[in-house]
Amino acid sequence: DGGITQSPKYLFRKEGQNVTLSCEQNLNHDAMYWYRQDPGQGLRLIYYSQIVNDFQKGDIAEGYSVSREKKESFPLTVTSAQKNPTAFYLCASGTIHNEQFFGPGTRLTVL
Amino acid sequence: AQSVTQPDIHITVSEGASLELRCNYSYGATPYLFWYVQSPGQGLQLLLKYFSGDTLVQGIKGFEAEFKRSQSSFNLRKPSVHWSDAAEYFCAVGDGDDKIIFGKGTRLHILP
Repeated sequence: DGGITQSPKYLFRKEGQNVTLSCEQNLNHDAMYWYRQDPGQGLRLIYYSQIVNDFQKGDIAEGYSVSREKKESFPLTVTSAQKNPTAFYLCASGTIHNEQFFGPGTRLTVL
Repeated sequence: AQSVTQPDIHITVSEGASLELRCNYSYGATPYLFWYVQSPGQGLQLLLKYFSGDTLVQGIKGFEAEFKRSQSSFNLRKPSVHWSDAAEYFCAVGDGDDKIIFGKGTRLHILP
């Protein structure tokens, strides 16, 4: 089945730790995106990539980093510089005309 | 700059009643418009999209939306809601370039 997978579904982080969220797609889409979702805030764009080895900051990139070494994969690292990382993180891949397909999400909680 | 407004944070309707969720956008040219649905703890699923052509678009699960350029609106409708439609709904607008902007969502509650 074609789609987007995110792992893990739940992730717990201690203060000062970096954690990496996985996102893989087999839809052969060039573009991939990371969003953060907080209650009442909608979706806010963290980073996006339109091609392998290239990515751009979104609206809330501070405290996050990404890589795009393969077309299928777009991992997100939440660094210790992100002061309030507890949120629901959504990965998406996109076609022309901005149509985006979403993964099931990862819920990150800081302990 | 693009923007999307969903004026209603919460909407409650009775099962079997009709539904209309409002969406207004700000964009200079003809936008690409989307409605997504999200169940709790899940990802977003695309309900329908408008790129060009017929301004009334049909989507999955019996939903439809109408693009009204004069009102900068793209309201989502369903003639008869089911309890399984309870979810959060997001309107989004894109310029066809690299990213889209999402509204803050409308949470739909269904009364039995």
